Amino acid sequence: QQPVQSPQAVILREGEDAVINCSSSKALYSVHWYRQKHGEAPVFLMILLKGGEQKGHEKISASFNEKKQQSSLYLTASQLSYSGTYFCGTEKYEGNTPLVFGKGTRLSVIA
Amino acid sequence: EAGVVQSPRYKIIEKKQPVAFWCNPISGHNTLYWYRQNLGQGPELLIRYENEEAVDDSQLPKDRFSAERLKGVDSTLKIQPAELGDSAVYLCASSRTGAGTDTQYFGPGTRLTVL
Repeated sequence: QQPVQSPQAVILREGEDAVINCSSSKALYSVHWYRQKHGEAPVFLMILLKGGEQKGHEKISASFNEKKQQSSLYLTASQLSYSGTYFCGTEKYEGNTPLVFGKGTRLSVIA
Repeated sequence: EAGVVQSPRYKIIEKKQPVAFWCNPISGHNTLYWYRQNLGQGPELLIRYENEEAVDDSQLPKDRFSAERLKGVDSTLKIQPAELGDSAVYLCASSRTGAGTDTQYFGPGTRLTVL
């Protein structure tokens, strides 16, 4: 079951905030977030495990709502370097199960 | 530490021709993944290796795709014969283990164009 990401695309001005959501109809064990710039490899951002923990890295943080089976990625005071496509990958069970990636959210930060 | 290496970066072939992609994972990473990424989509898993064993190949179109990881290190993905619909970016990733909490590190991919 492919997770659903929203919005599909968003345009921000530098300094603005954004939220990207990743939802699943199935119970999740973990959510992985990646950012991919055009023509480049996806780059790992963070992993969220079930339990509703929140993680952060500088001005990018994420949460995992186990009840809603939804993860949200928060980008604060966006910078030009934040532009790219953000993907969430979800894992249903603990253990050796493959990640299923969403279709991505294209984020464009303009000056 | 060197990242995941893939070659070639770009490949243009005519339909019905064979093509092969090569991947060298990060040293010490036992798990290797091959993904296909179509334009505007997320990566889709084709096959996953634990050392030299393919543990998940349910999404690999076995009539034309094959893969190997003979010594549990580098890997080759082959398509024979290629079809127009195979045009995509083929990404290789590796992780220390196959556990869901392990980070997958992606290579730069091979962009395949089938004419």
